[in-house]
Order: sequence, then structure tokens, then C-alpha cells
Amino acid sequence: DTAVSQTPKYLVTQMGNDKSIKCEQNLGHDTMYWYKQDSKKFLKIMFSYNNKELIINETVPNRFSPKSPDKAHLNLHINSLELGDSAVYFCASSPQDRGSGEQYFGPGTRLTVT
Amino acid sequence: AQSVTQLDSHVSVSEGTPVLLRCNYSSSYSPSLFWYVQHPNKGLQLLLKYTSAATLVKGINGFEAEFKKSETSFHLTKPSAHMSDAAEYFCVVRDSQYSSASKIIFGSGTRLSIRP
Repeated sequence: DTAVSQTPKYLVTQMGNDKSIKCEQNLGHDTMYWYKQDSKKFLKIMFSYNNKELIINETVPNRFSPKSPDKAHLNLHINSLELGDSAVYFCASSPQDRGSGEQYFGPGTRLTVT
Repeated sequence: AQSVTQLDSHVSVSEGTPVLLRCNYSSSYSPSLFWYVQHPNKGLQLLLKYTSAATLVKGINGFEAEFKKSETSFHLTKPSAHMSDAAEYFCVVRDSQYSSASKIIFGSGTRLSIRP
């Protein structure tokens, strides 16, 4: 009955590879997000989708491409991985127009690029 | 423009003593404010939120925060710390509580350590 789930939990790969991280929420929320947390715990929003439509796209290299097949899923594909992409990536969801704006986070995916 | 500043990167208290984690914000509009907790190797969990209702907000695990507009602060407190409170805490500001496209800004985090 996990609310927001991510797979995989750990991902170790070499520079130059392409990888994907999957996220699913069963909360019925309309909005989903991807965040990157660096080694100093700093969290930065990368993307936000509302009902499958991209609404926030921060300054992120175009090697990162989100895909939302339906409003319960938001996947993150990363091309040509670089050492600096090593981080923990969190998916989150929130209800739309509920006035509260709180977010529910997944457990994170720790990406290590060697 | 909006921003959020967590004034302490690390706070250490003894078990059973009060906890104070400080957060200041700036916002062009009426903000929504949140505190999240992140235990080691875990995702973030909502502790409490302020959305223009009561200025004193009670959250989970005995935490509360007071919204002070005149001081642009939203400090997190707990009367008595438990060992299980050791974690990273994030203050978050969001300008428009109704728009999904509103900017969401996270503070840099405060690591709370609890001494036995």
C-alpha cells in the first residue's frame, strides 16, 4: 500500500550510459515532481507534471527527460550520464487545487555514476 | 521572489530538552510554509504545514511551528526531544497555495542530533 514508490532504489552505472528511474503514486494526485538531492542534502526541483502536462521545468540539462504516461506515473530518463549526476533522486506527488500544496515523497533512488 | 533560510545547519540537543529549528522566509505573496523531516536513507515526510489558517500549527510527533508574519519566520519547536527525532529537517516555502505551477523552495536543511 505504498503511496509513492520508486524503482530502482539503487542504481550504479558508468559514465555515458542511459538509465531510467520509475515513479508511481497510488494517491490519486494530479501533480508529480522530480527532485535531485546532492551530497550536502540540498534539494532542487527538476520537473513538475500536472495531469500528464509539464508545468515546471527548471534549469536542467536536456539529457534529463521526464515522461508521464498517465497521471499516476512519472518516469525520469537520463542520457549520457555524467559523474555530476550522482545524487539521490526523489519523486513526489501532491493534490491539485486543494489549498495545502503538501507533497508526498518516494523513498528515493541513489544514483552513482562511475 | 521568494526564498527560505534555515539559520542553523546543525543543532544538537540533549534528550528530553526543547528543540528549536529556525526558518526565515521571504515571499511576494501569501506563502504556504511547510516543515519536512528526512530520516537517514529515507524519503521526506511532512511534519506540518501553514496555509493562512491558525498561526500556531501542530504537527506530528509533538512538533509545532508558529507563523510570524512580522518576523517572516516559521520556527519549528518541540518541548522534549527524543532520540528518534535525530534527522534532517527542511523548511519549505510555496508562494501560491492554489497553483500547481507555484514555485517550491526548499531550505538547505538543519541536521538535528540528539545526545543521550
